[in-house]
Amino acid sequence: GESVGLHLPTLSVQEGDNSIINCAYSNSASDYFIWYKQESGKGPQFIIDIRSNMDKRQGQRVTVLLNKTVKHLSLQIAATQPGDSAVYFCAETGAAGTYKYIFGTGTRLKVLA
Amino acid sequence: GAGVSQTPSNKVTEKGKYVELRCDPISGHTALYWYRQSLGQGPEFLIYFQGTGAADDSGLPNDRFFAVRPEGSVSTLKIQRTERGDSAVYLCASSPAGPWGTEAFFGQGTRLTVV
Repeated sequence: GESVGLHLPTLSVQEGDNSIINCAYSNSASDYFIWYKQESGKGPQFIIDIRSNMDKRQGQRVTVLLNKTVKHLSLQIAATQPGDSAVYFCAETGAAGTYKYIFGTGTRLKVLA
Repeated sequence: GAGVSQTPSNKVTEKGKYVELRCDPISGHTALYWYRQSLGQGPEFLIYFQGTGAADDSGLPNDRFFAVRPEGSVSTLKIQRTERGDSAVYLCASSPAGPWGTEAFFGQGTRLTVV
């Protein structure tokens, strides 16, 4: 079947290493950001979110960093595992009260054994 | 059900035909979204419902596309006179009511192929 991310930027990391996936967002008024993981043939799956009044948020093995000055978002995955292989998208919403999620182009993460 | 359910999972149709794609959101979620995803790209917003009404349909590409949610639960995306360029994965998502900024839960998508 179709595969998500055939023409996307690819990040290859060794199993056990840390991964950093970057995203530039477009709207300086955006108030809420989400990272999604998408495996081939599946819908996007929520990983972690962050609001604009924060610059860092940690989850289980994942950390999101937000730099509003340069409109940059990053996702850090600690001790990357084979199951982390997927396409990762950042998504932003506009100002408070808006619900439309605008997705970035995505990055394909390949975990090498 | 436990998650967002979309049917059919695959749909092949001939150019010019009419298609309907169905979405069953998570029970109790008042917000429902339709997105379209082409190969190698991120999901592209089409329309957002809050309850029964379309709060934002700015992403619908033209008047061949229409979506309804008559009872505030199940939604149907309707595409008339399909074109080959409509081929994509159509994703539905839902989120609970409440303050802005809540995660949207996505279904598996319907892969539409127009031949």
